[in-house]
Amino acid sequence: AQSVAQPEDQVNVAEGNPLTVKCTYSVSGNPYLFWYVQYPNRGLQFLLKYITGDNLVKGSYGFEAEFNKSQTSFHLKKPSALVSDSALYFCAVRPSGGSNYKLTFGKGTLLTVNP
Amino acid sequence: NAGVTQTPKFQVLKTGQSMTLQCAQDMNHEYMSWYRQDPGMGLRLIHYSVGAGITDQGEVPNGYNVSRSTTEDFPLRLLSAAPSQTSVYFCASSYRTSGSSYEQYFGPGTRLTVT
Repeated sequence: AQSVAQPEDQVNVAEGNPLTVKCTYSVSGNPYLFWYVQYPNRGLQFLLKYITGDNLVKGSYGFEAEFNKSQTSFHLKKPSALVSDSALYFCAVRPSGGSNYKLTFGKGTLLTVNP
Repeated sequence: NAGVTQTPKFQVLKTGQSMTLQCAQDMNHEYMSWYRQDPGMGLRLIHYSVGAGITDQGEVPNGYNVSRSTTEDFPLRLLSAAPSQTSVYFCASSYRTSGSSYEQYFGPGTRLTVT
């Protein structure tokens, strides 16, 4: 069975500092990995994905994520945090092969960027 | 292009009442799914469909029914609402194409309270 762990329920950073939101996964075979963001009282918005190729993936709003196969991790990063980045972030995984279309989500990490 | 739409946005039910949450997409996506979001639980898959006439159970299907008579619509039915079904419900859709990463697009959500 596939699974995602987001070990931190909350992450607090100061505006202008770099941020990291951690994600590790378990899946059979090669993974497709995703990050989504949810602002208060809104649906989930896609940020970025890893399918294949470069381990560093760039996405929306200046976010990037680094895929590490040996550590089964896909941490979300941003060099300089903004107050407007404060939101709930979800990591998700599905296997790349076969007919399993189901995404499995982590429990989410609440990012707070302090002015 | 409206994307994924959900109605209603808010609903209050009494225990034992029934209702249908509506979901529609105009992107000709084959794959559609329903999730519920509860604090600290992330998103959990209720039911999903890989095309018109085909549905299957997800992680937490009990108490919910679905059908998929058209590509566009994927309603979720609560036959006899229970307080444990108080949650925020999200519908999502994606392409189901060979080689696709199945990135999912989410609707704005329905906030359901069962008293």
